[in-house]
Parts: sequence; C-alpha cells; structure tokens
Amino acid sequence: GAGVSQSPSNKVTEKGKDVELRCDPISGHTALYWYRQRLGQGLEFLIYFQGNSAPDKSGLPSDRFSAERTGESVSTLTIQRTQQEDSAVYLCASSKTGTSGAVGEQYFGPGTRLTVT
Amino acid sequence: AQSVSQHNHHVILSEAASLELGCNYSYGGTVNLFWYVQYPGQHLQLLLKYFSGDPLVKGIKGFEAEFIKSKFSFNLRKPSVQWSDTAEYFCAVKANNAGNMLTFGGGTRLMVKP
Repeated sequence: GAGVSQSPSNKVTEKGKDVELRCDPISGHTALYWYRQRLGQGLEFLIYFQGNSAPDKSGLPSDRFSAERTGESVSTLTIQRTQQEDSAVYLCASSKTGTSGAVGEQYFGPGTRLTVT
Repeated sequence: AQSVSQHNHHVILSEAASLELGCNYSYGGTVNLFWYVQYPGQHLQLLLKYFSGDPLVKGIKGFEAEFIKSKFSFNLRKPSVQWSDTAEYFCAVKANNAGNMLTFGGGTRLMVKP
C-alpha cells in the first residue's frame, strides 16, 4: 500500500515569509507526528496528533510554528515569519493505534527540505 | 526528559567486517526501543524494534540488537557488513509514560568500503 507522503519535497523561501508543509499519512493510521532534522543532527520531535487533536505540542520551538490535522487524514505544518534557523528537513510519520490505546511503530515520509535564505 | 546517545558519529568499515553501533538512553521506566536506517536518498525505515520479551531482537538484512536494561543500552550489531549497508543509523526510544513521540539519537553514519 501507499506510504506516508509529504509535499513539497523541497522548499526555498525568503526569511520572513510563511510556509506550509503537507503530510498525507498511511490510510487508517490515527496517530501522526512531525519531526525536524537539522543538518548533521538527529530528529527532534515537534508535535503529535491522535486523530485531529494534538495531545502533545511540547516540541514546537516557538509560536511561529503551528500544525493542524483534518480528521485522521492530512496534516499541515505552518511556519510563520521563517528564520534561517528554521532550515531543516521536516519529517512526518504515522502509526496505528491499538484498541488499548498503545501506538505501534512509526512509518516515516520522505521529508520536506526547507531552506530559508 | 529522556535522551538518547549514539557514541559513534562516523564509522568506516571494510566489507565482511563486524559492526556494533552503540546506543544508550536515559530513562528509568519502561521503554520501547528502535533502530531506524536511512539509505542515501531514501526514507527512514525501521530496522528492528524491542517492545518486550527476548532482549535479543532480530531485524531485517541480518541486523540484530540486544537490550541490556541494567546498562540502558540497545546496541546494534551485524556480523558481516556489506557495501549496501552504507547508510545512516538512528537509535530511538519511546518512553511508555512520557507520550507517544520518539526520542532519537544523533545518528551514526556508516560507510562500508567495497
């Protein structure tokens, strides 16, 4: 079946502009995650959705970052007034949630490479 | 908050050499442990996972990892690497009482020389 998809694959934007990144999770996966990977570093957690609610926003680095999700489908990550330090690969992952509430392994998308000039 | 350390940032091996990549985490409670691999130009893929039971877990492509609770470690091993194992390897931890997100180590870039 189809995996997690993300768009655009690459985005170059000028400092101060807003950007929207999109994630399409695997069909039937109720949990969705956003991570950020800066050059040469590991992945940093940004936000987690269970359905369309976000029980964990602890990783969002500033109020310029926000995310929403429509039902158990598409999610968008919005970065307002982008700064050069926002340059990174933004990765989305999704996973199933079991009947007990436990979430399974996460499947990752290809990422969006954001460059802020 | 939990953290994950991968001690080796870059590893260079010749084909057929044995591999061990270190991973240590800091969290005192129950954890799920993962190794992900990212081949050049590809997505992150799950290599193997530990949830419970036998602490020695087998993954794809001949990889295995051993969970040693007393050492807070989950080292990745392969007895004989191939050129196609050239990739970046990430250890990740999900702390069961701390939400559903994964905490990742900084990654180890492995280069296997043919």
